[in-house]
Amino acid sequence: LAKTTQPISMDSYEGQEVNITCSHNNIATNDYITWYQQFPSQGPRFIIQGYKTKVTNEVASLFIPADRKSSTLSLPRVSLSDTAVYYCLVGEDNQGGKLIFGQGTELSVKP
Amino acid sequence: EAQVTQNPRYLITVTGKKLTVTCSQNMNHEYMSWYRQDPGLGLRQIYYSMNVEVTDKGDVPEGYKVSRKEKRNFPLILESPSPNQTSLYFCASGRIAGPGLEQYFGPGTRLTVT
Repeated sequence: LAKTTQPISMDSYEGQEVNITCSHNNIATNDYITWYQQFPSQGPRFIIQGYKTKVTNEVASLFIPADRKSSTLSLPRVSLSDTAVYYCLVGEDNQGGKLIFGQGTELSVKP
Repeated sequence: EAQVTQNPRYLITVTGKKLTVTCSQNMNHEYMSWYRQDPGLGLRQIYYSMNVEVTDKGDVPEGYKVSRKEKRNFPLILESPSPNQTSLYFCASGRIAGPGLEQYFGPGTRLTVT
């Protein structure tokens, strides 16, 4: 499984765009990338997932360059309620299997 | 409402007393998994199951057992709990969405072993 590396923490202000980058240098050809959000004492919540290029949904965008050795989660116009820990996850099998979460990035959004 | 439920939500027990944490999902997902979360160590996978009667070890399976007799249930069993199993436990179920697995997590079970 590809190991992921993320910044431990980030600060932002309300209304700004936030980009959190995850490094996964050893990603394999069939691996996919998933991001989760976790609030204190709650289970993680799925945000977005992709394999290559760009994926967008109603809450975020995911940018994956051609070499796939990193990925960037983009949160447009964050609010205080986006303060949470964000995890990048690389999965090796599209049917599930063993999964390893990284340490996560603690995002703090200030007014 | 689509959800993953865990019981109990909080549990304090003593070393060596067998316990079971139940997990149930109503989304007909084939994939289910257990994680533990500890400060500074993040989320670590204990066991996972890709279908009924199919289970496999995650990253930290020692001291735990699981079973998957029905699709909706995936109990976590601690045969002889020890203090180092004090943790916050999450159950998840998942479905394939797009390129990979999308997981839905339960609310967590906070276990204290004294």
